[in-house]
Amino acid sequence: GAVVSQHPSRVICKSGTSVKIECRSLDFQATTMFWYRQFPKQSLMLMATSNEGSKATYEQGVEKDKFLINHASLTLSTLTVTSAHPEDSSFYICSARDPGSGGSDTQYFGPGTRLTVL
Amino acid sequence: GNSVTQMEGPVTLSEEAFLTINCTYTATGYPSLFWYVQYPGEGLQLLLKATKADDKGSNKGFEATYRKETTSFHLEKGSVQVSDSAVYFCALRDKGAQKLVFGQGTRLTINP
Repeated sequence: GAVVSQHPSRVICKSGTSVKIECRSLDFQATTMFWYRQFPKQSLMLMATSNEGSKATYEQGVEKDKFLINHASLTLSTLTVTSAHPEDSSFYICSARDPGSGGSDTQYFGPGTRLTVL
Repeated sequence: GNSVTQMEGPVTLSEEAFLTINCTYTATGYPSLFWYVQYPGEGLQLLLKATKADDKGSNKGFEATYRKETTSFHLEKGSVQVSDSAVYFCALRDKGAQKLVFGQGTRLTINP
């Protein structure tokens, strides 16, 4: 099946710094990518939907200025956590929709990025 | 709003045991239902799905039936293997929508 990669897999940063996480679709072009956040023992919460060439659509309660999303190409979306604080520590997961596979429910997930803010 | 509730884990079974992971949902319409599996160190993978009432999704020996009357989509497998050890997520998606709503996940460990 289609492959989605994320980089880095783990990152530790100091409070107040910014961190960029990359999500790439390796063997297909993804017009739509999704960013999720997962807290320990909790479900994945959708943060935003990213469409190539346009602004991301954020879910209610997600700060647009804190979680910057860029989807500049059909194979790459980035999530930047700006001025990170310890409460931003979490597991961030991206997924990408492959329009060529047919059906809007075909999302392929990356392995996730563990962010720890000290 | 829409929501998904899974049985709490972790679940530990012996090889060849029967598996059930319960999943119930709340939705305003008639959503599509999914089970995703996440093996250690990997991304979520679609395991099976059902798009309407009474549909049965199946894959790799796993089955789940879309029960509208009980708003459930329980995952079952008759004889589990060590390689089935993973975290399982139940999810729903409204008709015409792209957004997936996930349950909290159930960690399954199968001992030899």
